[in-house]
Amino acid sequence: AQRVTQPEKLLSVFKGAPVELKCNYSYSGSPELFWYVQYSRQRLQLLLRHISRESIKGFTADLNKGETSFHLKKPFAQEEDSAMYYCALGHGGSQGNLIFGKGTKLSVKP
Amino acid sequence: DTAVSQTPKYLVTQMGNDKSIKCEQNLGHDTMYWYKQDSKKFLKIMFSYNNKELIINETVPNRFSPKSPDKAHLNLHINSLELGDSAVYFCASSQDSYGYTFGSGTRLTVV
Repeated sequence: AQRVTQPEKLLSVFKGAPVELKCNYSYSGSPELFWYVQYSRQRLQLLLRHISRESIKGFTADLNKGETSFHLKKPFAQEEDSAMYYCALGHGGSQGNLIFGKGTKLSVKP
Repeated sequence: DTAVSQTPKYLVTQMGNDKSIKCEQNLGHDTMYWYKQDSKKFLKIMFSYNNKELIINETVPNRFSPKSPDKAHLNLHINSLELGDSAVYFCASSQDSYGYTFGSGTRLTVV
């Protein structure tokens, strides 16, 4: 069964500290993985997709098929990074259905 | 121009009422979705439409009925509202590459 696991409900770090939000997935096919961010009371926004191998707002994520992980990392957290982060798995062909993890709330303290 | 717009943003209503939430996208995407975000911030897909045709219909009460008059619109009608329906409902659209664009959400409160 397809599943996305984000083990941490809440992650609290100090400004300037490194941050890693964990994501593990379960999928028998070739996965498409994404990170979405939701700032307080705003819409979800696409942050990263694994196929792009990009860095957005200092965040990076590497797909590790051996460990079935797609952890989100940033070397130096900023207060404005405080938000809900969702890992998502794409499957289901051309219709693009996404399965979301339960989300991790990142709190960056001054 | 807002890419995916939902109305209303806030909806407070009594139990037993019937209400609708509207969604429109101007991105030319073929696929539209409704997601429910509960009080624990868990996001779960409810429905997916591709070019006006129902593709995904997850296990939701049949009090929820989506309607897609054309591929740019996907409305959600809810009959006999219950307290447990209180949540934020997000509309989204996508085109092949899985990059979803979300609406700003409709916060439904049933009292």
